[in-house]
Amino acid sequence: NAGVMQNPRHLVRRRGQEARLRCSPMKGHSHVYWYRQLPEEGLKFMVYLQKENIIDESGMPKERFSAEFPKEGPSILRIQQVVRGDSAAYFCASSPQGAKSTDTQYFGPGTRLTVL
Amino acid sequence: GNSVTQMEGPVTLSEEAFLTINCTYTATGYPSLFWYVQYPGEGLQLLLKATKADDKGSNKGFEATYRKETTSFHLEKGSVQVSDSAVYFCALISSGSARQLTFGSGTQLTVLP
Repeated sequence: NAGVMQNPRHLVRRRGQEARLRCSPMKGHSHVYWYRQLPEEGLKFMVYLQKENIIDESGMPKERFSAEFPKEGPSILRIQQVVRGDSAAYFCASSPQGAKSTDTQYFGPGTRLTVL
Repeated sequence: GNSVTQMEGPVTLSEEAFLTINCTYTATGYPSLFWYVQYPGEGLQLLLKATKADDKGSNKGFEATYRKETTSFHLEKGSVQVSDSAVYFCALISSGSARQLTFGSGTQLTVLP
């Protein structure tokens, strides 16, 4: 069973461009979470999605950031008009369908975004 | 709100030394507690977990006991190896939260041969 897949692993953007980060959860997993790790810091929750639904986006910046998890295909984290402060590692995690809220989340390898 | 406080790093040990990384927490409800490990350039891997008071999680020689009375979940290993060099994150998820993992700031461990 393949793990959580994220691509690209590394992404370089200039200020003002758009960044699209993709996450394919583990097979049989229907819950997806996005976290951001700023340099020298721990991970911070951004958003929790199920198929076609955003369940909790309390950690998402109010502007420029959006997330989706369509019926078909990977979950996408989209950052519009990137700024240098968006440079970070973005991690996706997933948990199985039917999982309890306190069950383990399984993490992907992350996408390291660098904004020039 | 929920919070996790981890022992400040970095920590440098010689091979076969005893390891303790302290972790304390504040949470609503009855949280599940986790230790994740991040090797250089990689994502987080679950190291161990405990879901209720007095549970002991263990894996690869690492152990941590869920202590409700002291709100702690300290990570220990009796004899570290060079391959244990990584960043260790303590985390919790509260039954009262909407599946948000709350992480500590991480502790960098370096084991020297």
